[in-house]
Amino acid sequence: DADVTQTPRNRITKTGKRIMLECSQTKGHDRMYWYRQDPGLGLRLIYYSFDVKDINKGEISDGYSVSRQAQAKFSLSLESAIPNQTALYFCATSDPYSSGNEQFFGPGTRLTVL
Amino acid sequence: QQQVKQSPQSLIVQKGGISIINCAYENTAFDYFPWYQQFPGKGPALLIAIRPDVSEKKEGRFTISFNKSAKQFSLHIMDSQPGDSATYFCAASWHTDKLIFGTGTRLQVFP
Repeated sequence: DADVTQTPRNRITKTGKRIMLECSQTKGHDRMYWYRQDPGLGLRLIYYSFDVKDINKGEISDGYSVSRQAQAKFSLSLESAIPNQTALYFCATSDPYSSGNEQFFGPGTRLTVL
Repeated sequence: QQQVKQSPQSLIVQKGGISIINCAYENTAFDYFPWYQQFPGKGPALLIAIRPDVSEKKEGRFTISFNKSAKQFSLHIMDSQPGDSATYFCAASWHTDKLIFGTGTRLQVFP
């Protein structure tokens, strides 16, 4: 079984719709991250959480919100999706005590906003 | 400054050749420099990483060269194989803080 899972894997939606992307992990890591990947722009950090009670904005948080429901779950929401948010979204986890600064990525969610 | 600049954006190499990808950073406080490899349809995965107390780290055909004074580091893939075709990201961080990623290099190795 995958250690970091993301649902859905693919999603097509319309402008203005509310969308939630979910991430679950079985690695027992406290730290979780949401990134978006765009061609030529690399991986850009949207939000990150160092523990259940800690939520921090990344470099491109506008238009997004997150919820850390438990150590194992970290959800990303687009309150009112726009075409500019069409991208590949990745969740990642890390644990500085067991694996240093290595981040473990999920398989990604491809989101298309029409 | 938090940027990590990566080049080239794409690279085409013949099988058996050497692939070289370069990154430059600005924040002298960075002390961890990993490279991630991403195959199509997959999430990135750690390939190799270096800390600034050494100038080179080698793991099989993959080598990181690190130049602290120039604030640059590079990934060398020796004897490149078609199976190495992927997107490569450099990154940097300070201590156990969040990673700052480069913009990625798409490597294609032709037989």
